Amino acid sequence: KQEVTQIPAALSVPEGENLVLNCSFTDSAIYNLQWFRQDPGKGLTSLLLIQSSQREQTSGRLNASLDKSSGRSTLYIAASQPGDSATYLCAPASGSARQLTFGSGTQLTVLP
Amino acid sequence: EAGVVQSPRYKIIEKKQPVAFWCNPISGHNTLYWYLQNLGQGPELLIRYENEEAVDDSQLPKDRFSAERLKGVDSTLKIQPAELGDSAVYLCASSHRGRNEQFFGPGTRLTVL
Repeated sequence: KQEVTQIPAALSVPEGENLVLNCSFTDSAIYNLQWFRQDPGKGLTSLLLIQSSQREQTSGRLNASLDKSSGRSTLYIAASQPGDSATYLCAPASGSARQLTFGSGTQLTVLP
Repeated sequence: EAGVVQSPRYKIIEKKQPVAFWCNPISGHNTLYWYLQNLGQGPELLIRYENEEAVDDSQLPKDRFSAERLKGVDSTLKIQPAELGDSAVYLCASSHRGRNEQFFGPGTRLTVL
């Protein structure tokens, strides 16, 4: 059974800092991995989808990396802004159904 | 392109009452998912549909939960009777076959008193 851990559980940084969010998973046989953000009381917004054959995926100030063999992914956020404050969730897709398994997320606060 | 639509956004009911949630996926997305999210946790899959067929409902508590996806588009998730422990956010997501990138709706926050 896939298990996903996200560290840290919470992070507070001043505006402008670059930061890294970590995600680890126990079953390395994944098809892809998605990073989401969730604002309070809202649904999940897909940020990046990284295929198992890829090492990196970039969108604007966001860069996700994937090391499938070691069961790790990182989300790098450059030049953080207060609007980046949210909970960030990673979810690898595994099994014959390519089911997403979610971590508990990292709650990010960017201070102005 | 419209996103995944869910209604209602909030629902408060007393225990033992029935409740239903509705989801309209992104147009053209044949796969639809219902998730349960407890406070401080990531979503957990309840059921997955491929078109109108429920292909994975192993996590759905079938004694009180039911779901349907008539005509392979909209879906309804029902709880009858609701229990206090059912208080959570119920999320619907959809994806296009082959891409496996899931897009989520805003969710329905259920409070059972």
